Amino acid sequence: SQQGEEDPQALSIQEGENATMNCSYKTSINNLQWYRQNSGRGLVHLILIRSNEREKHSGRLRVTLDTSKKSSSLLITASRAADTASYFCATDSEYGNKLVFGAGTILRVKS
Amino acid sequence: NAGVTQTPKFRVLKTGQSMTLLCAQDMNHEYMYWYRQDPGMGLRLIHYSVGEGTTAKGEVPDGYNVSRLKKQNFLLGLESAAPSQTSVYFCASSWISITDTQYFGPGTRLTVL
Repeated sequence: SQQGEEDPQALSIQEGENATMNCSYKTSINNLQWYRQNSGRGLVHLILIRSNEREKHSGRLRVTLDTSKKSSSLLITASRAADTASYFCATDSEYGNKLVFGAGTILRVKS
Repeated sequence: NAGVTQTPKFRVLKTGQSMTLLCAQDMNHEYMYWYRQDPGMGLRLIHYSVGEGTTAKGEVPDGYNVSRLKKQNFLLGLESAAPSQTSVYFCASSWISITDTQYFGPGTRLTVL
């Protein structure tokens, strides 16, 4: 069963705007990760946030984690056309024996 | 560092044919994984390995076999390909645990006719 589910499924914004994607999960986790996938490429790790952290920054990325609501959000500020990609959240499974990926959010940044 | 590499990049098979996908990593990672990615379904774990000589089943192992004879290589085999195995296959590796940051290869697009 899917642990992480992203919302929205697709997002289209203008260059320079901020993009926010959300991830909800079902069971308690040790960490949550966000990955980016450009069309036709493999996934690239963006950021990992541990269950005892509430917020983490990396360049134009900001990730928050709310363990009480079992949700996370990824904010990309001042988006660029190069940010066009699919974004996936991944959590450790209920038994901690694998990473479980959501179906992803497709972000399109129009120039 | 090349990171994680996969061969081939594309392959077309007929139903019943066999093939092997090769994954190689040069980061000295202990853990290696094979995923498949289908539209709207995210990534699903096929098999994984926690070290040289070890393999374990993931979420969707049926129809696939794997081997990890060398630490840097992880092979995925399809003994008798079926159209349901048409997918994009990704190999990944991580250093210290299965839930640590994973590094992905570029993928292999497989079509089974």
